[in-house]
Formats: sequence, C-alpha cells, structure tokens
Amino acid sequence: GAVVSQHPSRVICKSGTSVKIECRSLDFQATTMFWYRQFPKQSLMLMATSNEGSKATYEQGVEKDKFLINHASLTLSTLTVTSAHPEDSSFYICSAISSGSLNEQYFGPGTRLTVT
Amino acid sequence: GENVEQHPSTLSVQEGDSAVIKCTYSDSASNYFPWYKQELGKRPQLIIDIRSNVGEKKDQRIAVTLNKTAKHFSLHITETQPEDSAVYFCAASIGPSGSARQLTFGSGTQLTVLP
Repeated sequence: GAVVSQHPSRVICKSGTSVKIECRSLDFQATTMFWYRQFPKQSLMLMATSNEGSKATYEQGVEKDKFLINHASLTLSTLTVTSAHPEDSSFYICSAISSGSLNEQYFGPGTRLTVT
Repeated sequence: GENVEQHPSTLSVQEGDSAVIKCTYSDSASNYFPWYKQELGKRPQLIIDIRSNVGEKKDQRIAVTLNKTAKHFSLHITETQPEDSAVYFCAASIGPSGSARQLTFGSGTQLTVLP
C-alpha cells in the first residue's frame, strides 16, 4: 500500500525559532499533498494544499508567511513554521494523493511540535 | 465552504453491541465520504469510504450508509470489540470532480467499548 512518512516525529523548539517538517511519499508520486493541524481532542483542520511545482493554497486564517510550504518534487513537501510561538504547539499531519488515485488520501504519522 | 457535523462526541457501548455514528454535510456537491479511525498520537486510518452513487457499503463488521437527499451518512460497527475503542472521524470531499479532493472533517467521536 501507499506509504507516507514524516520527519521528525517529535520536535521541541524555543519560541522565535523556525522548524521544518518533511513529508515524503515513499512508494508513489504525490501530485498533491495536504497539511493539517490537530490540537488535543480536536479534529484535523486543513492548513494548506500543496501542489508540486506551484504555490501552495492556504486556508482562510492560515498565515502563509508563517507556515511556509514547499513542494519541490513529486515525493516531498516541507512545512516550515517560522518564528514559532507556544500557541503553534500542535500535531501536524500531512497527507498525499497519488497521481493514480483522486480520492484516497494517505496520511503521514504526524509530527508533534512543542514550542517552549 | 463545506461544513460537516458529527454526533455523538462520545459513545460508550458494551462489548458485542453495535455502535452508530452520524454525520451531516452541507455541500450537495460533495461526493466522497470516508471514515477514519485515529488512535491517540497516531495517524488517521481509513476504515471505509462511500461515494455518492452508492447508498450503502459494508466491510465485515463495518458499514456505511449515505442519504444524499438528507445529506447525511452514518457509520455502523457491529459486534464491537475493545480494540475498536478510538476516535472516529467522518469527512466529506469538497473538490470538484476529476481533481484533487480536499477533505472537511467532522469533529470526531470518542468510542469506548467496555469489556
């Protein structure tokens, strides 16, 4: 089956620093990747849609200058949280859609970000 | 945009009983409805999905029904087991036909199966 990995799985950073999270599709080409944020005991909230070779589309209320997304290849998308603050602490999950499937999203294992 | 409501937020059942979780959606153009199971700290796992041209789908102990007219869909788990305990999310696709599909998730249901 399709496998999506994320790195790192957990990261702790100091307030004001930047953190990069990688999302990779391991055995398929992902034309589209999605980035979600999930706070404790809450649902997944879509942050942005990332298409290979083009600018990401951000959801309303998500600051594009704070959450930088780069989808440089068909197997890799990165999310950089710039100038992180404690309120950015959350579980960040990516998902990918393969070029051969237009429906099912394959989710990464998530990245637990803690900003101190 | 699409809005998905999910009920109940928590559900406790005795082992062996059935569990039903219900969702409603707002956008009549939505045509793909997956259900996910998420254990604490883990990724959501697709357990079953249904498309708008089908009214019901079953996979062993899990079934999903869709009422397009009423814009609601439900997850049914029969003969529940303790390992079914998790948070379940419904979702609806808002993307146009033929293109990549954004999912809007419901708020989740914490299912607890009591032994």
